Amino acid sequence: SQTIHQWPATLVQPVGSPLSLECTVEGTSNPNLYWYRQAAGRGLQLLFYSVGIGQISSEVPQNLSASRPQDRQFILSSKKLLLSDSGFYLCAWSGPAYGYTFGSGTRLTVV
Amino acid sequence: AQTVTQSQPEMSVQEAETVTLSCTYDTSENNYYLFWYKQPPSRQMILVIRQEAYKQQNATENRFSVNFQKAAKSFSLKISDSQLGDTAMYFCAFYSNYQLIWGAGTKLIIKP
Repeated sequence: SQTIHQWPATLVQPVGSPLSLECTVEGTSNPNLYWYRQAAGRGLQLLFYSVGIGQISSEVPQNLSASRPQDRQFILSSKKLLLSDSGFYLCAWSGPAYGYTFGSGTRLTVV
Repeated sequence: AQTVTQSQPEMSVQEAETVTLSCTYDTSENNYYLFWYKQPPSRQMILVIRQEAYKQQNATENRFSVNFQKAAKSFSLKISDSQLGDTAMYFCAFYSNYQLIWGAGTKLIIKP
């Protein structure tokens, strides 16, 4: 069966520090991968999606970047965090017949 | 542009009652998928039910069922015999061409 792992679960980082959130998928090959951000009590905002290794599409211009170094690995990064980067980040993979499967999320607080 | 609208920011019902959450969407696509996701306080996003647009039959999953009206672009979720564990945010979502478009969510509270 397919599983998705996302870590860390919580992260507190100072302004100006770098960021690296990692997501890996098991049990499937060539998945479509996504990074979302969710503000408190709100819906999900798509940040990046990837349909293959090295293929990244950005939906929102921002302080973040994404990379897909391996087929089932998706990384969200920042060189210098801003206060506005605080939020809840969700990684997901999709096959349309099954909808999206989400990781457990990372709560990022920039202080 | 494709949009998803959930017009009920918050709803509350008594345990064991039936509740219906509304969702409308706008698209020019003919082939797409629709989903309802549940997000409990743990913030884990959980798939509740999905509907393929080419299927006329409404999807059902135990106590959860949908009323899919393609011409009206409506996709409501009915929860029967509601339970305390159903308390969560519920998001309606539309999928087409690698994009999942989300509604703003409905906060559902089940009261004992």
